[in-house]
Amino acid sequence: AQSVTQLDSQVPVFEEAPVELRCNYSSSVSVYLFWYVQYPNQGLQLLLKYLSGSTLVESINGFEAEFNKSQTSFHLRKPSVHISDTAEYFCAVSEGTGFQKLVFGTGTRLLVSP
Amino acid sequence: KAGVTQTPRYLIKTRGQQVTLSCSPISGHRSVSWYQQTPGQGLQFLFEYFSETQRNKGNFPGRFSGRQFSNSRSEMNVSTLELGDSALYLCASSLGGWRLNTEAFFGQGTRLTVV
Repeated sequence: AQSVTQLDSQVPVFEEAPVELRCNYSSSVSVYLFWYVQYPNQGLQLLLKYLSGSTLVESINGFEAEFNKSQTSFHLRKPSVHISDTAEYFCAVSEGTGFQKLVFGTGTRLLVSP
Repeated sequence: KAGVTQTPRYLIKTRGQQVTLSCSPISGHRSVSWYQQTPGQGLQFLFEYFSETQRNKGNFPGRFSGRQFSNSRSEMNVSTLELGDSALYLCASSLGGWRLNTEAFFGQGTRLTVV
């Protein structure tokens, strides 16, 4: 069975500082990996995804994540955060079998302060 | 292109009642999946429908059921509501086909409160 671990429930950081949100997964098959962001009282928005190919994937708003198969990790990074990045971030995995079933981590709340 | 639409956004029900939630996927998407989000359990997969057939199911009791119509719209039903069913219910749509199912788009959710 697949599982996703997000060790940090909350990450406080100052504006313009770098941040890394950690995600580790376990699966016996090839997987697709995703990061979703959720703002208060909103649904989930896809931030970025790894399907295949380059292990470094980037989003349009400055986030990036690197797939590391040997460490079964998919950490999310941003070199300089903004106040508007304050939100909850979820790492998720799917088996990529064609069945749409995401297994989510417990989420990391990113708190950006001035 | 319109996104995933969930109705209603907010709902208050009494224990023992039943409730039906609706989800309209993105045009052209044939797969609809449902998730329950609670502070204690996080995001949990309920089930997925593709071409009017349930093809995957999570570990929820039989009180939770769903269906999908020929236009891909989906409904989720919860019978005999319990206080613990209070949650944000999220619907996600995706293309649905083999090797096409690479991305799920989520609606804003229905906030169900059971009193």
